[in-house]
Amino acid sequence: DIVMTQTPLSSPVTLGQPASISCRSSQSLENSDGNTYLSWLQQRPGQPPRLLMYKISNRLSGVPDRFSGSGAGTDFTLEITRVEAEDVGVYYCMQATQFPYTFGQGTKLEIK
Amino acid sequence: EVQLVQSGAEVKRSGESLRISCKGSGYSFTAYWIGWVRQVPGKGLEWMGIIYPSDSDPKYSPSFQGQVTISADKSISTAYLQWSSLKASDTAMYYCARRLAAAGVNDVFDIWGQGTMVTVST
Repeated sequence: DIVMTQTPLSSPVTLGQPASISCRSSQSLENSDGNTYLSWLQQRPGQPPRLLMYKISNRLSGVPDRFSGSGAGTDFTLEITRVEAEDVGVYYCMQATQFPYTFGQGTKLEIK
Repeated sequence: EVQLVQSGAEVKRSGESLRISCKGSGYSFTAYWIGWVRQVPGKGLEWMGIIYPSDSDPKYSPSFQGQVTISADKSISTAYLQWSSLKASDTAMYYCARRLAAAGVNDVFDIWGQGTMVTVST
């Protein structure tokens, strides 16, 4: 299985300040079809997960543009330009290049 | 409205059987895969498996192969996750999620169910 490792596991951030979460995979996520299936999901307290980004940097419709994704190969980053109160929750990276799909451990974003 | 609606919370004893459901509405059910994800209380997300309702051929994560059965009934737009003999370690929240059955969208699980909490006592 591909192992996904996120850092940090906890990120206290001041409202209005940027936040960044890293995700590293144990092998390249570039698929034989040329796509890299790395997505980011947000889970607010008491809620189901919600897809934010797919194929590294594509924002799902309705996701604020303060969220952005970047990276390639085995190293990926989710960035929030200015954290808002509604961004509190746990963020997961997920790979869907190889089955079984796997998640990172999650990064808890909290307000200082 | 496009949605996945899951069955309600369950409280069971070890050794009992259980089937929970995930009903799709507002879209063509057979045009999407349905995946199942486990979340133990206070822990992260784990992929269990995925099924394409059009052919009902499930794929299981090795950790869950033989432990659960994933199925679907396209006539009623419903996917299922079932256990023949529950263990206390099956206590968790279970989510279903859909993904378009098309090329190039492996990671686009865009709609999630609200979750079904399963509690198993010894």
